[in-house]
Amino acid sequence: EIVMTQSPATLSVSPGERATLSCRASQSVSSDLAWYQQKPGQAPRLLIYAASTRATGIPARFSGSGSGTEFTLTISSLQSEDFAVYYCQQYNNWPPWTFGQGTKVEIK
Amino acid sequence: EVQLVESGGGLVQPGGSLRLSCSASGFTFSRYTMHWVRQAPGRGLEYVSLISSNGGSTYYADSVKGRFTISRDNSKNTLYLQMSSLRVEDMAVYYCVKDPAGIMATLGNWGQGTLVTVSS
Repeated sequence: EIVMTQSPATLSVSPGERATLSCRASQSVSSDLAWYQQKPGQAPRLLIYAASTRATGIPARFSGSGSGTEFTLTISSLQSEDFAVYYCQQYNNWPPWTFGQGTKVEIK
Repeated sequence: EVQLVESGGGLVQPGGSLRLSCSASGFTFSRYTMHWVRQAPGRGLEYVSLISSNGGSTYYADSVKGRFTISRDNSKNTLYLQMSSLRVEDMAVYYCVKDPAGIMATLGNWGQGTLVTVSS
């Protein structure tokens, strides 16, 4: 089973600033990597798939990069609605899909 | 539009049983593998189980193997998760997820979840 590790656990950012979230896989997942955003009481919302492709309706301030074992989600200018928990997921070698433990983006 | 609506969650005592359902619409249910993913309170996402489109293949996480049974009724467009010998650590929101079947833009088809509370 592939282990996904996210860092940092919590990121404190001021509105308008840039946020950079990291996700590392225990072995190569090629570009089979997705990012989700989750707010309290809601299901995860797909932001990015194939490591760098924005899902339908996702603003351009969200971007993903990386391949193999190292991935990054960047939010270029944080808006109030972006404060949430973010998860990465690999779907290269499944079952099972495996998820990172999450990064909480909070207001500084 | 794909819709997945989970039901059946509730309060159950340790050692008890519960059956979750997921009603699907907006796509040809019988053509898709389906998954269950759960999230314990304040915790991350944990993969639970999958079932192939015709029900012939299943997979279970080690944490639920032997206690949970996934099934489906394609005539009713419904996915099930029969949970028995429930433990406190099974307490979570359970999400039903449609497999993207190679179209990764559809990875985001999750239900809203149903809460299972295991407590005496």
